[in-house]
Order: sequence, then structure tokens, then C-alpha cells
Amino acid sequence: DVKVTQSSRYLVKRTGEKVFLECVQDMDHENMFWYRQDPGLGLRLIYFSYDVKMKEKGDIPEGYSVSREKKERFSLILESASTNQTSMYLCATRAERERTNEQFFGPGTRLTVL
Amino acid sequence: AQKVTQAQTEISVVEKEDVTLDCVYETRDTTYYLFWYKQPPSGELVFLIRRNSFDEQNEISGRYSWNFQKSTSSFNFTITASQVVDSAVYFCALSEAYNFNKFYFGSGTKLNVKP
Repeated sequence: DVKVTQSSRYLVKRTGEKVFLECVQDMDHENMFWYRQDPGLGLRLIYFSYDVKMKEKGDIPEGYSVSREKKERFSLILESASTNQTSMYLCATRAERERTNEQFFGPGTRLTVL
Repeated sequence: AQKVTQAQTEISVVEKEDVTLDCVYETRDTTYYLFWYKQPPSGELVFLIRRNSFDEQNEISGRYSWNFQKSTSSFNFTITASQVVDSAVYFCALSEAYNFNKFYFGSGTKLNVKP
């Protein structure tokens, strides 16, 4: 089974703080994703990475950056957290080599910025 | 443009009722994949089913069934004899063959199953 873990389930930060959200997977998947989920908006892609040190912007990258130094780990960084970044953040992975292309998700991190 | 619409924001049923969650999609691609995910209160999205655009055969898995109709661009999900454990948010999603990394998610349907 694919296991995707996220460093925190709940996080509370203050405006202006630098925030790191970590995602780790144990299935050797090439692709990793960060989404945010807000009521009524579904999931929106922030960034994804298709290889170590490689990244591409998603639909809403503003205010975020990412880092992928190792294949199994993908970090989402909020350089200066703002209240409008209060949300649920979901990490996902996908294998490149398989013919199926579903994404597998972590448990999510609910971030509150005060 | 690609789009997935789940018009039902929230549905409430009583246990043992059947319920259908609607999903309508838009795409100009001829090869694409459709998915359903379940998000229980714990938060993690759980993969339920994948269907490719060339396979319109309906699928049944226990109490779950899926009806894919290309003519109406719909991929509806039915739960038969619903149970309280089915309470969750359900997402429909689309990805296109030329870009497997791009998923288009619907806004989700929250299903409440009351005892």
C-alpha cells in the first residue's frame, strides 16, 4: 500500500511567520503534489514535482514555494504566512511508470494563520 | 476548457436509502480518465475508482456502482443501502491522457447518512 504522511495534522501560525509543511511517501513515486482545499472550491493545485529538484507551478502558486531535495520528500513553504492561507493542505503522489494514473493522498494538514 | 461539476453540494439520507451523486465533466480530449474519491471526516482522500474514456461499461463494487455515459458527459456514483460509514465528502475528478499530472476536481458533494 502507498503510504503518504504529512508532518502535522493541525498547525497554528501567526501572520508573517515562515511555515514548512512536509510530505513523505514510501512508494518511490516520481510525482508529488500539493493542493489546498477550501469549502466550495474543491482541491486546487499549488505546485507539483515530477523529479528531484524539479517543480512546476499549479493553478495557485502565489505566496508558496516548494522544495524537493529527495525523491521521497516534498515540502511546501509559506514564506510569510497570511490569514488567507488558512486552509486544509493535502499532499499526493503518483507513479510515473504505471499505466494507471490515480493520485494517492496524505491525511492533510489543517493550517490556521492568526 | 476542462471542468468537473458536482451540482449537489450536500445530500442527507436516512440509512438504507439509495443515493446517487452526480458528476458532469467537460473536456475536448478524446482520451481521459475519470475518478471518484471519498474524503471521510479524518481528512484523507481515498481512491474509489478510475474509468478511462474508452470503457463505458458500468461497474459495481459491493454497494457502490458507477454509471459512465459519454453521451451526457456524466460519471455518476450510486450507493445502495447507504450506511452511516458512507458519510463523507465525495469528489469526482478528470485527468487527460496528454497530462496525467493535471487533475481537475469537482467541488465535492457532502453526504450525510443518518441512522
